[in-house]
Amino acid sequence: AQSVTQPDIHITVSEGASLELRCNYSYGATPYLFWYVQSPGQGLQLLLKYFSGDTLVQGIKGFEAEFKRSQSSFNLRKPSVHWSDAAEYFCAARGGATNKLIFGTGTLLAVQP
Amino acid sequence: GAGVSQSPSNKVTEKGKDVELRCDPISGHTALYWYRQSLGQGLEFLIYFQGNSAPDKSGLPSDRFSAERTGGSVSTLTIQRTQQEDSAVYLCASSPRGGLLAGYNEQFFGPGTRLTVL
Repeated sequence: AQSVTQPDIHITVSEGASLELRCNYSYGATPYLFWYVQSPGQGLQLLLKYFSGDTLVQGIKGFEAEFKRSQSSFNLRKPSVHWSDAAEYFCAARGGATNKLIFGTGTLLAVQP
Repeated sequence: GAGVSQSPSNKVTEKGKDVELRCDPISGHTALYWYRQSLGQGLEFLIYFQGNSAPDKSGLPSDRFSAERTGGSVSTLTIQRTQQEDSAVYLCASSPRGGLLAGYNEQFFGPGTRLTVL
């Protein structure tokens, strides 16, 4: 079955520290991959996406993600975290033959001053 | 421009009552999606509309759930005889186009409707 796994439920980092959020997928073929962020009381905002080509993709707010086919991973990174980055982050995938997104369970990021 | 809007933002209802949740997609977007976000299940796909095609209802959890999209724009998600396990945030999303050849197909999400069933 198609699935997306985010192994970390909750992560706390210090402001200014680097961040990596993990995402693994299980699909028959390489899906389209997305990272969304959800701030409290807000809808989901797309940070970045991967369809094909360059495996390192840049997104908004200084985020980037790297697609690694050999590891079935699409980890999200940011070199220096800001307090405003505290939110819940969702990795999602969509197969080529369907339009529905399959989401991971999310990673809640807390940022310490 | 205006994003996806949903109403109401919050809905409290009693077990057994019917509820209707509304979604206004971004103007011109042909594809519309409903998702449910709950503590126990995370974010789940419910239903997908694309133009005049038959909707993909494969995510609807029971026959108490139904949705329609009138005129290719506004959508209403109806839950009949609500149960406590229906309590969740219901998210609507739209995208410029759908279908197998959609290619780039970002989904834009609304703020959600928080449903509480007492």
